[in-house]
Amino acid sequence: SQTIHQWPATLVQPVGSPLSLECTVEGTSNPNLYWYRQAAGRGLQLLFYSVGIGQISSEVPQNLSASRPQDRQFILSSKKLLLSDSGFYLCAWSPQGNTEAFFGQGTRLTVV
Amino acid sequence: AQSVTQLGSHVSVSEGALVLLRCNYSSSVPPYLFWYVQYPNQGLQLLLKYTSAATLVKGINGFEAEFKKSETSFHLTKPSAHMSDAAEYFCAVRRGDSSYKLIFGSGTRLLVRP
Repeated sequence: SQTIHQWPATLVQPVGSPLSLECTVEGTSNPNLYWYRQAAGRGLQLLFYSVGIGQISSEVPQNLSASRPQDRQFILSSKKLLLSDSGFYLCAWSPQGNTEAFFGQGTRLTVV
Repeated sequence: AQSVTQLGSHVSVSEGALVLLRCNYSSSVPPYLFWYVQYPNQGLQLLLKYTSAATLVKGINGFEAEFKKSETSFHLTKPSAHMSDAAEYFCAVRRGDSSYKLIFGSGTRLLVRP
């Protein structure tokens, strides 16, 4: 069966520090991969999605970037965090084709 | 572009009462529609999905939703609320033309009163 792992679960970082969140999927190949952010009291905002290695689509211009160095690995990064980067970050995957997405357990990021 | 509107950021019902969470979509092509549930500090779990087969879709935990093209709606219902249903619910849409983007509504928090 397929599983998705996302870490860390919680993270407290100072303003101006770098960020790296990692997400890996097991039990499937060539998945579509997604990063979403959920700010307090708001819905899910699609940040990035990827349909293959090295193929990244950005939905919202911001202080973040994403990379997909391997087929089942998706990384969210920032060189310098802002207070506004605080939120709940969710990684998700879907099989190729028009089906639902499956979510990781999320990372609670607090920038102080 | 596709979008989703969820009416009501908070819905409160009594235990045993009908649950109705509203979702309207906008899509230039026939959509695929989904309802997800999120418990505090967790990821999202799929409740049900519409993929152009039957318009009445049954999901887990007794939930169901009906796709109404004429009303561009996909409302989520459950005949009798349980305390364990208290959570946040998200409606999502994906275009049915091989688009990879899954777009979510702003969510509705369901409160269940004893």
